[in-house]
Amino acid sequence: KQEVTQIPAALSVPEGENLVLNCSFTDSAIYNLQWFRQDPGKGLTSLLLIQSSQREQTSGRLNASLDKSSGRSTLYIAASQPGDSATYLCAVSSTGNQFYFGTGTSLTVIP
Amino acid sequence: DAGITQSPRHKVTETGTPVTLRCHQTENHRYMYWYRQDPGHGLRLIHYSYGVKDTDKGEVSDGYSVSRSKTEDFLLTLESATSSQTSVYFCAISVDSVHEQYFGPGTRLTVT
Repeated sequence: KQEVTQIPAALSVPEGENLVLNCSFTDSAIYNLQWFRQDPGKGLTSLLLIQSSQREQTSGRLNASLDKSSGRSTLYIAASQPGDSATYLCAVSSTGNQFYFGTGTSLTVIP
Repeated sequence: DAGITQSPRHKVTETGTPVTLRCHQTENHRYMYWYRQDPGHGLRLIHYSYGVKDTDKGEVSDGYSVSRSKTEDFLLTLESATSSQTSVYFCAISVDSVHEQYFGPGTRLTVT
């Protein structure tokens, strides 16, 4: 079974800072990895999907990288804003139809 | 927005009663999923479907059953609800070609 870990569980940064969120997984034979954000009491919003053959994906101020050999992915957020405050989750799939989630990193961006 | 709705959005029920949660999608995606989200556990897969009448178990399927008689609807049933099934339940679909997941708004279920 795939184990997914996200450290730290919580992070607080001042506005404007660049930051990195981490996701590690135990089985390097993955199909894809997806990053989500979740606002309190809401559903999950897809941010970025990295397929097994890719090393990184970018969307606006977000950049996600994937290193299968070390079992790690990072989500880089540039020039953080208070609106980025949310919980960030990563999910890993080994087959394309079963996904394993980390418990998330709760991000607070202080104005 | 992948056109996913869940009903009901909130429900309180008593231990031992049956409960059915509905997930509806408007875009005819083949794959649909039910997850539960609990503090300290993150999201865990309950069941998933890869087509009409085709379903399979996930990580935490005990006490749950599912049905999919139409492409657009995926039902999750708790045959006899227990307090340990108090949770937030999310439905998701995945886009067939790359399996990118999109989630519904969730259903908060409380079993008293």
